[in-house]
Amino acid sequence: QVQLQESGPGLVKPSDTLSLTCAVSGDSISSDNWWGWIRQPPGKGLEWIGYIYYSGSAYYNPSLKSRVIMSVDTSKNQFSLKLNSVTAVDTAVYYCARKKGGWYDFDSWGQGTLVTVSS
Amino acid sequence: DIQMTQSPSSLSASVGDRVTITCRASQDISNWLAWYQQKPEKAPKSLIYGASNLQTGVPSRFSGSRSGTDFTLTISGLQPEDFATYYCQQYSYHPLTFGGGTKVEI
Repeated sequence: QVQLQESGPGLVKPSDTLSLTCAVSGDSISSDNWWGWIRQPPGKGLEWIGYIYYSGSAYYNPSLKSRVIMSVDTSKNQFSLKLNSVTAVDTAVYYCARKKGGWYDFDSWGQGTLVTVSS
Repeated sequence: DIQMTQSPSSLSASVGDRVTITCRASQDISNWLAWYQQKPEKAPKSLIYGASNLQTGVPSRFSGSRSGTDFTLTISGLQPEDFATYYCQQYSYHPLTFGGGTKVEI
């Protein structure tokens, strides 16, 4: 059974870069899946940030595209998110998730990690 | 962007009730629609993909359907563990977008 685990700083200063990693177990990051990031501000709904294929091909939400970089590390079976120039509005629970190819949705999610942007 | 309009935003129900939640897409997304359940302080859980396909391990009281750009999640016989917030999501077009959520309360 696939498991995803987010890791990274829980507190980031305004204008700094938010960096998170998602470690994948129970599945190969090089399989036919898209590996994604979704966030949820406290008390609010879900927002898709983007996803990446093991080849490096990625799609980002246009609302964040200028600030987002995703990457894959096949040797460590993990993928990462970098969001630069953060402000308080970027405070949220960040989830990593797997989307299988074809008709499938995000079928497996990490537990989420709260990132607070504050000085 | 595809707008997903979910209704109602909240509802009150009792154990055993039949509950229906609707999501309307702003344009045709075929069957590229998923439903998720989220409990407080937990990650969303996939219930249905492809508009009507039950995810492995999800109880059969959950079902999904489509009529044009309208999608419905039905819970037939609400159970105590079903009280949660439900989200729809379209994955036909980028950016992928979610509905605003429906909180199902006792």
